[in-house]
Amino acid sequence: GQQVMQIPQYQHVQEGEDFTTYCNSSTTLSNIQWYKQRPGGHPVFLIQLVKSGEVKKQKRLTFQFGEAKKNSSLHITATQTTDVGTYFCAGPGYSGNTPLVFGKGTRLSVIA
Amino acid sequence: KAGVTQTPRYLIKTRGQQVTLSCSPISGHRSVSWYQQTPGQGLQFLFEYFSETQRNKGNFPGRFSGRQFSNSRSEMNVSTLELGDSALYLCASSRRGQREGRETQYFGPGTRLLVL
Repeated sequence: GQQVMQIPQYQHVQEGEDFTTYCNSSTTLSNIQWYKQRPGGHPVFLIQLVKSGEVKKQKRLTFQFGEAKKNSSLHITATQTTDVGTYFCAGPGYSGNTPLVFGKGTRLSVIA
Repeated sequence: KAGVTQTPRYLIKTRGQQVTLSCSPISGHRSVSWYQQTPGQGLQFLFEYFSETQRNKGNFPGRFSGRQFSNSRSEMNVSTLELGDSALYLCASSRRGQREGRETQYFGPGTRLLVL
């Protein structure tokens, strides 16, 4: 079935360092979504990318969708302690009306 | 607008028992999806309900079932609980359902189930 692979599984950074998580799909995606889950919390929608090569920014967060629409990345510039959490990418299943398939997430720890 | 609510928030059961979890979606949302989250497996899709009909089902045994009511509230039931069912159970709602995975999913706080 559809698989969405995410790396790394864990990342520990010093506050102020940059962070990147990568998402790869076994098939071409019509779109990709990113979610953030704070420790003890629930996933919260961040953004959706639809177009090939699309780049979107939210303050210090930069999201990219690959040209082939099979990979995506989330880059955080100058991490802060508020960035701590697990970041998930999610893509659609193979056919219409199929649910999102989530990557296993990247857990980010920020050391102050 | 109120967010997705789930009850109970925490639950402790013993093996062999059954459990029912409840989810109230955001007002106006007709789709409710259920996920199981464990440290090793991440977010695993259980099923989606839309307008009282099960639209999709994940790869879980028949012990896991659900339903949706006319007011879009949803329940999921797990019978004959096993130790491995210990997890965070999340529900998520969306307005039109998971059409090609384009709809944003709004998650509830989850029910943390511990099976002893």
